[in-house]
Amino acid sequence: AQSVAQPEDQVNVAEGNPLTVKCTYSVSGNPYLFWYVQYPNRGLQFLLKYITGDNLVKGSYGFEAEFNKSQTSFHLKKPSALVSDSALYFCAVRDSGHNTDKLIFGTGTRLQVFP
Amino acid sequence: DADVTQTPRNRITKTGKRIMLECSQTKGHDRMYWYRQDPGLGLRLIYYSFDVKDINKGEISDGYSVSRQAQAKFSLSLESAIPNQTALYFCATSDLHTGLNTGELFFGEGSRLTVL
Repeated sequence: AQSVAQPEDQVNVAEGNPLTVKCTYSVSGNPYLFWYVQYPNRGLQFLLKYITGDNLVKGSYGFEAEFNKSQTSFHLKKPSALVSDSALYFCAVRDSGHNTDKLIFGTGTRLQVFP
Repeated sequence: DADVTQTPRNRITKTGKRIMLECSQTKGHDRMYWYRQDPGLGLRLIYYSFDVKDINKGEISDGYSVSRQAQAKFSLSLESAIPNQTALYFCATSDLHTGLNTGELFFGEGSRLTVL
């Protein structure tokens, strides 16, 4: 079965420093991987996705993610964190096949950016 | 106006009551989903629908039922609510027919349900 794991419940970083939010995956076949962000009292918003091609994927709000097949990882990164980046981040993998097509989400990582 | 609208946004109810959460979308998408969010557990899939004639159970469907009344409407019911169904519920949509369909989901703002 497809799955993703987010090993950190919370990541703390100072404003202006680079940030990394970790995600590892387990899939059969080629992975379709996603990152979503959830701000307080809001729904999830799509940030970026990896389907195929370049291992470095660029997304919204200056975020990027690096797909690493050998390490089965898809870590979310940003060169310089902002206080407004503080939110809950979810990694997800697509599980598709005969009569099924859905996203499987990780447990989420809370990012706290301090001024 | 939001593309995916959930009602109610907040609801407090008592054990044993029947509750319906409604979702409507203006994106014209075929696929609709209901997820539940609990702290530390992420989002778990309850039910999903590929069109009005297709309903599929997710990983935690027990205690829930759904109805796809039209392409744009997908409702979630709790026939007899219990306290461990207290959670934040999200509706989401996805588009089957675009050539670049990659499974991306579009979410509503969520419905917070508290069962006392």
